[in-house]
Amino acid sequence: TQLLEQSPQFLSIQEGENLTVYCNSSSVFSSLQWYRQEPGEGPVLLVTVVTGGEVKKLKRLTFQFGDARKDSSLHITAAQPGDTGLYLCAGAGTSGTYKYIFGTGTRLKVLA
Amino acid sequence: NAGVTQTPKFRILKIGQSMTLQCTQDMNHNYMYWYRQDPGMGLKLIYYSVGAGITDKGEVPNGYNVSRSTTEDFPLRLELAAPSQTSVYFCASSYTANGEQFFGPGTRLTVL
Repeated sequence: TQLLEQSPQFLSIQEGENLTVYCNSSSVFSSLQWYRQEPGEGPVLLVTVVTGGEVKKLKRLTFQFGDARKDSSLHITAAQPGDTGLYLCAGAGTSGTYKYIFGTGTRLKVLA
Repeated sequence: NAGVTQTPKFRILKIGQSMTLQCTQDMNHNYMYWYRQDPGMGLKLIYYSVGAGITDKGEVPNGYNVSRSTTEDFPLRLELAAPSQTSVYFCASSYTANGEQFFGPGTRLTVL
């Protein structure tokens, strides 16, 4: 069974601080996605990483896929209150199935 | 485009009752998914479909059934509701197997 563990589970920081969220597994994934979910809504895709070692930037957010495609990180620079939400990673397996495995989630609160 | 729509938004069931959660997408996506999200947690895959007439089990299929008679619709059936099925249910669709998933707004179900 493939599992994705996210850390930390909860994070409360002041506006302007930097933070990193981790998504780890013992399994290899063909690709990994990061989503953000706001209260009462469905998750919305932020980025997809496919190649081991790949780094993608989305404004103040930097995403990295581990070289072995087993882990990923999300780094936010100068966090803002608008970054508040639940961050979820989701991995697509390499076995040819069409199932996504979602991580346990990181709930971020950025205080003004 | 409405994207992915789900009905109802809220529902309270008594133990042993049955209901169908509706999901419709207007993006002509072949891949559709049903997830449940327990409070403060990530998403767990219940069932998925890779096209009309084809469905398969996810991580937590027990107590649920699905059908996919058209590309647009992917209803989720709960038989004999139990308190353990209290959750928020999300339907999602994607154009490709490992592509971006588009989520509906969710159905909040309480079983008393």
